[in-house]
Amino acid sequence: NAGVTQTPKFQVLKTGQSMTLQCAQDMNHEYMSWYRQDPGMGLRLIHYSVGAGITDQGEVPNGYNVSRSTTEDFPLRLLSAAPSQTSVYFCASSYHNGEQYFGPGTRLTVT
Amino acid sequence: GQQVMQIPQYQHVQEGEDFTTYCNSSTTLSNIQWYKQRPGGHPVFLIQLVKSGEVKKQKRLTFQFGEAKKNSSLHITATQTTDVGTYFCAGKGRNTGKLIFGQGTTLQVKP
Repeated sequence: NAGVTQTPKFQVLKTGQSMTLQCAQDMNHEYMSWYRQDPGMGLRLIHYSVGAGITDQGEVPNGYNVSRSTTEDFPLRLLSAAPSQTSVYFCASSYHNGEQYFGPGTRLTVT
Repeated sequence: GQQVMQIPQYQHVQEGEDFTTYCNSSTTLSNIQWYKQRPGGHPVFLIQLVKSGEVKKQKRLTFQFGEAKKNSSLHITATQTTDVGTYFCAGKGRNTGKLIFGQGTTLQVKP
């Protein structure tokens, strides 16, 4: 099993550009989520999904879109990147109420 | 909305000293999880507590869940340099699918 994979590992964007961060898991987990990590702020929940076709907002959803068309994939879309979105992004998956498995993260810089 | 506060933000200890981090939620939790993140890495699951007043031990680590299921603590006895990292608590509310993380406590251990 590959676990949770994220691509790309690093990305530099210019303000206003759009991009999609990819996340995939091969553990058949129903629960997937996206977090951003900034110094001193811990991990903040952006969006989460409790199953295919179901998504909901987390603590800091503005500027981000998600979709969950399959159990395996949970992409995060930045529609118009802003410098405030410079961060490290982690995707995670789990069985409901269970241990979260995190991907290796994507380090995003917006200039 | 649900908030999870964690203190202290940083802790420097001499190797062999004990260490404790505390976690408090604004709402009653269905469960609480603890994670460890090494510098440059991703969060890794340590343990989950579900029952009111629950205490679990993993070698030198002791985890407690408060009677009211709104607070938790992690205590490390006789720290070692391998304990260095950031420790996060994460709580899931009773009526929500969101897993909210605290800000984390970064532990430095001086040999």
